[in-house]
Amino acid sequence: GAVVSQHPSWVICKSGTSVKIECRSLDFQATTMFWYRQFPKQSLMLMATSNEGSKATYEQGVEKDKFLINHASLTLSTLTVTSAHPEDSSFYICSARDLLTVYEQYFGPGTRLTVT
Amino acid sequence: AQKITQTQPGMFVQEKEAVTLDCTYDTSDPSYGLFWYKQPSSGEMIFLIYQGSYDQQNATEGRYSLNFQKARKSANLVISASQLGDSAMYFCAMREGALDFGNEKLTFGTGTRLTIIP
Repeated sequence: GAVVSQHPSWVICKSGTSVKIECRSLDFQATTMFWYRQFPKQSLMLMATSNEGSKATYEQGVEKDKFLINHASLTLSTLTVTSAHPEDSSFYICSARDLLTVYEQYFGPGTRLTVT
Repeated sequence: AQKITQTQPGMFVQEKEAVTLDCTYDTSDPSYGLFWYKQPSSGEMIFLIYQGSYDQQNATEGRYSLNFQKARKSANLVISASQLGDSAMYFCAMREGALDFGNEKLTFGTGTRLTIIP
């Protein structure tokens, strides 16, 4: 099956710094990628939809200036958490849809962010 | 109202038994898709099965089947002959609207933690 990778798998940063998370589709092209956030023992909440070559679409309540998304190519989307605070600590998961498949989204392994 | 409801926060099932995980959904759109994902402790989301709103037959994938009752708006996941490796969180999710580029976002339920007992 199609593979989506995320880097890093985990990161610890100090409050006030910025962190970039990469999401790559390794063996397929994805015009659309999705970024989710998952707090411990909770469900996945969609943060934004990332479209190749255009601006991301953010869900209500998600700060655009805090969570910067760039979808520079058909295989790479990045999420940058700017001026991170402890409340941003979470599990961030991306997904991508293969242009050639009918419905299936493939998820990355997730990135665990801890802000100290 | 919640779009996806999973009423079982946790379940314990004996190995080799069948298990049904409940999922009800709420949408007024005639076109939608329903998904089940498995999330082991490692965190990755593993796609299990998909059911489209216009599909006439219940979806099946190996040991997984989806009991789709459209009138009741339920899409329960059935796992036959459960195995120890089935222990994980299971999420039901829905895509509303016809499948089209730009209309692919998923809404997830709160999940069910399934534990298989040897």
